[in-house]
Amino acid sequence: DVKVTQSSRYLVKRTGEKVFLECVQDMDHENMFWYRQDPGLGLRLIYFSYDVKMKEKGDIPEGYSVSREKKERFSLILESASTNQTSMYLCASSLMTSYNEQFFGPGTRLTVL
Amino acid sequence: AQSVTQLGSHVSVSEGALVLLRCNYSSSVPPYLFWYVQYPNQGLQLLLKYTTGATLVKGINGFEAEFKKSETSFHLTKPSAHMSDAAEYFCAVTRYSSASKIIFGSGTRLSIRP
Repeated sequence: DVKVTQSSRYLVKRTGEKVFLECVQDMDHENMFWYRQDPGLGLRLIYFSYDVKMKEKGDIPEGYSVSREKKERFSLILESASTNQTSMYLCASSLMTSYNEQFFGPGTRLTVL
Repeated sequence: AQSVTQLGSHVSVSEGALVLLRCNYSSSVPPYLFWYVQYPNQGLQLLLKYTTGATLVKGINGFEAEFKKSETSFHLTKPSAHMSDAAEYFCAVTRYSSASKIIFGSGTRLSIRP
């Protein structure tokens, strides 16, 4: 059974803290994605990675960075968390070939106080 | 710019009734279209996708969608709703700048009345 796992389901952090969200996939997928999901806004792409150490900014990269040192692992980093980063964060992966299904993790609900 | 519009943030139907979730897209090139479903406290999973060929696409759990180029629509239907269909549904379209990436609509929450 294919799987994308995320390190935490719920996370509470304080303003100014550095936050790491981890995502691991076991499908040998080349592509990995980080989205944030907010009510009424759907999913918005934060960052995309198509290979180890390769990344592209998505639609809302400000305040975030990413790291992909191994093919199966993609980390989202909030350098200095702010209250407007309170959201649901979803990780996904897919094969490199075009138009392929994205497989999603269960999400991390992050609250920044 | 490409976009996806889902009409109705919340749709409520009775069990056994027709489900119709509306999606319109804008794209200057032939689109590839998707419907994803998100059950409570879970990530998204693919219901169905249209790439090329037959415009009526069948998906999992009895759902289907029809690509209508003239109407720029990709509405999702199911003849008879089941309580287990209660979830949030997202329509999505590939970006012409990168076929690996997709743009999601804002989502429609489907409720089923007993």
